[in-house]
Amino acid sequence: AQSVTQPDIHITVSEGASLELRCNYSYGATPYLFWYVQSPGQGLQLLLKYFSGDTLVQGIKGFEAEFKRSQSSFNLRKPSVHWSDAAEYFCAVGAGNNDMRFGAGTRLTVKP
Amino acid sequence: KAGVTQTPRYLIKTRGQQVTLSCSPISGHRSVSWYQQTPGQGLQFLFEYFSETQRNKGNFPGRFSGRQFSNSRSEMNVSTLELGDSALYLCASSLGGGGNEEQFFGPGTRLTVL
Repeated sequence: AQSVTQPDIHITVSEGASLELRCNYSYGATPYLFWYVQSPGQGLQLLLKYFSGDTLVQGIKGFEAEFKRSQSSFNLRKPSVHWSDAAEYFCAVGAGNNDMRFGAGTRLTVKP
Repeated sequence: KAGVTQTPRYLIKTRGQQVTLSCSPISGHRSVSWYQQTPGQGLQFLFEYFSETQRNKGNFPGRFSGRQFSNSRSEMNVSTLELGDSALYLCASSLGGGGNEEQFFGPGTRLTVL
């Protein structure tokens, strides 16, 4: 069965610093991978997705992610973090028919 | 286009009661999925409906059920509520082509069971 691991429960970065959030997946076939962001009291917003093709995916809000099949990873990156990026980030793998399996999430704190 | 709406946003119930949550998908979307989010278990898939039929189901007890109407609106019902059912229930809609589509999430319904 497919699964997602986000090794970091909580990350703190300074505003303006670069960010990398880790995501490892387990799935037998070609994965459909997603990154979502959730602000307090809100639903989830899609940042980016990977279905096929170019392994470096650009998303909204200046985020990007790189699919590495050899490492079963789909890490999320941003070159310069803004205070408004503080939120919880979820990596997910699609398992068919919209059955999406989410990681436990990484909470991002941004220091001024 | 209006986004996914969920009603009510907040709900307080007592153990043993039942509850119905509602989700209106984005216009034109035919698939509605439901998720339960708790601090301990994270986001877990409940079920997905497409064209008024349950197409996929997660690993939840039969107390959790749902349905979808001809206008694609969906309801989720939880019977005989338990304390552990306290959670944020999220609904997501997509076009419904199957496979793995981009899902659009609503703001959720926060259910508290006392």
